[in-house]
Amino acid sequence: QKEVEQDPGPLSVPEGAIVSLNCTYSNSAFQYFMWYRQYSRKGPELLMYTYSSGNKEDGRFTAQVDKSSKYISLFIRDSQPSDSATYLCAMSDGNYGQNFVFGPGTRLSVLP
Amino acid sequence: EPEVTQTPSHQVTQMGQEVILRCVPISNHLYFYWYRQILGQKVEFLVSFYNNEISEKSEIFDDQFSVERPDGSNFTLKIRSTKLEDSAMYFCASSEQSYEQYFGPGTRLTVT
Repeated sequence: QKEVEQDPGPLSVPEGAIVSLNCTYSNSAFQYFMWYRQYSRKGPELLMYTYSSGNKEDGRFTAQVDKSSKYISLFIRDSQPSDSATYLCAMSDGNYGQNFVFGPGTRLSVLP
Repeated sequence: EPEVTQTPSHQVTQMGQEVILRCVPISNHLYFYWYRQILGQKVEFLVSFYNNEISEKSEIFDDQFSVERPDGSNFTLKIRSTKLEDSAMYFCASSEQSYEQYFGPGTRLTVT
C-alpha cells in the first residue's frame, strides 16, 4: 500500500463550484498535514497547514483532517479558473526538520 | 514577501559531470531541504539540513549527493557524477521553527 494516495484526476469543474480534494494515508504516526498548490513547472506553494484532527479555514479554502479514518480533505469554495493547478497533500510525523511525504497530486481544471 | 530563490532555473549537463544547484532560503529560516520531482511523478524528499549538518536523508540521497551551506545565505546541492536518471526538477525549501516549508521555484536539471 502506498504511503499517501490521491486521485490523480483530472478533475474538471465549472467556475463557482465547490471543489473537494482528498488524500488517504497509511502511517498513523502522521500528525502534520499540508496542502500545496503547484502550477505547471513551478514550485509547490503552501496553501494550508493543520496539526492533528479538525478543521481549518482560510478564505475560500478549508482543510479537514480525520486521523481516525486516515483521511484529509481540502475544500475550495467559489472556485476560479486561477485555481486550476495540481494540488498536493503532504504530511509528516513530527519533529522540526522532518521530511514531508507527498501525495502524487490531483490535477484540477476550473472551467470559465 | 520573502521567498526562496534558486539558480539556475535550468541546467543542462552531460552524464558523468558534476553539477551544483544553488538556493537562497528565507533569511530567518533554520531548516533547509532538497526535494526532487521527476516529470509526471510525485515530489520526493532528498535531504534536510539544520545547524550545519544533515538531519535526515532519503535512500535517493546516496554518496553522489552532498549539501553545503557555504555562507550565511546559500544552500547548495552537489551531484558528483550525474546520471540520466538524475534528470528532474530539484526544489529547495526552508522553514522556520514550524512545519510550514516554503519551496523555491525549482531548478530543472537535464542530463544528456
